[in-house]
Amino acid sequence: KQEVTQIPAALSVPEGENLVLNCSFTDSAIYNLQWFRQDPGKGLTSLLLIQSSQREQTSGRLNASLDKSSGRSTLYIAASQPGDSATYLCAVRRDTGFQKLVFGTGTRLLVSP
Amino acid sequence: DAGVTQSPTHLIKTRGQHVTLRCSPISGHKSVSWYQQVLGQGPQFIFQYYEKEERGRGNFPDRFSARQFPNYSSELNVNALLLGDSALYLCASSLTEWVIGSPLHFGNGTRLTVT
Repeated sequence: KQEVTQIPAALSVPEGENLVLNCSFTDSAIYNLQWFRQDPGKGLTSLLLIQSSQREQTSGRLNASLDKSSGRSTLYIAASQPGDSATYLCAVRRDTGFQKLVFGTGTRLLVSP
Repeated sequence: DAGVTQSPTHLIKTRGQHVTLRCSPISGHKSVSWYQQVLGQGPQFIFQYYEKEERGRGNFPDRFSARQFPNYSSELNVNALLLGDSALYLCASSLTEWVIGSPLHFGNGTRLTVT
């Protein structure tokens, strides 16, 4: 059974810092991994998707890496801003056809001005 | 273009009642999935539908059921509500099952409170 863990559970940083969020998964047989952002009481916003054959993906100040063999992914946020404050979730998908995502419990990020 | 839309946004029900939640996928998306997110946890997979057929089911009791309509919208039904069913119910859509790199797009969810 796939289990996804995210560390730390919560993180508080001053504006401008670079930071790394960690995601680990127990079964390396994944199809892809997706990072999401969730604002309080809201749905999920897709940030980055990495296919199992890829090592990293970048979008603006965000960079996500994937090491499938070790069961790890990191989300790097450069020059953090107060608007980045949210919960960040990673999710892995096993199969090409079956779209079940297994989520971690998230990292709650607070960026102070 | 409109994103994934869900209705209602909030709902309060009593134990034992039945509830129907609705989801409209992004235009052109044929796959719809449902997730339950209890406060403080990550979303848990409930169902996936593609071309009106059930493709997968998570570890939820038979009180939970769903269907997908010809226009690809979907309904999630929960019977005999329990206090533990209180959660944010999220709907996600994607273009197809088979397009490499096709991400899931989520709606803002329906907040269900069972009293």
